[in-house]
Amino acid sequence: DADVTQTPRNRITKTGKRIMLECSQTKGHDRMYWYRQDPGLGLRLIYYSFDVKDINKGEISDGYSVSRQAQAKFSLSLESAIPNQTALYFCATSDLQFDGYTFGSGTRLTVV
Amino acid sequence: SQELEQSPQSLIVQEGKNLTINCTSSKTLYGLYWYKQKYGEGLIFLMMLQKGGEEKSHEKITAKLDEKKQQSSLHITASQPSHAGIYLCGADHTGGFKTIFGAGTRLFVKA
Repeated sequence: DADVTQTPRNRITKTGKRIMLECSQTKGHDRMYWYRQDPGLGLRLIYYSFDVKDINKGEISDGYSVSRQAQAKFSLSLESAIPNQTALYFCATSDLQFDGYTFGSGTRLTVV
Repeated sequence: SQELEQSPQSLIVQEGKNLTINCTSSKTLYGLYWYKQKYGEGLIFLMMLQKGGEEKSHEKITAKLDEKKQQSSLHITASQPSHAGIYLCGADHTGGFKTIFGAGTRLFVKA
């Protein structure tokens, strides 16, 4: 099994629908992150969490919410999806020493 | 991120040729990270650089952080088709808990 698992891998949804992207990890890392990737823009941070009781907004949190259900689980929700949220979404983890991220394989989300 | 610029945006090289990708930060770096992404897949961590002048190598890939800790270069020697992908640099400007990323450099290697 992968160290960081994202589900689903691909999703097509309609404008206005609520959708949840899930991330689970077996690394034992305390820190978890959600990024989105758009062509030409690199990765941008949506939310991050340093432990179960800690949630922080990143640079593009509007329209998104997160839940840290356990140390190993960090989910991202789009309450009312819109087309410009079409992107590749990545979950990542890191340890306290922060010597780099471990990324999931990504969720490709299309909002039509 | 405008705080982190990568060049070139894309690169096509003949198999066996050397190449260099650059990453320039507008701020002093606490850490500089290089990742590789196969098209449509997740990112794989390559290397982390923290000290001015530091240089690290992994197989045929070498990365260096300049003395002022604001620019890094990634050099691939004798490129192979397996090197193809998107190379992203990530920067830590805050002392160690989150990374901002450059837009990436798309590398194509012609066999």
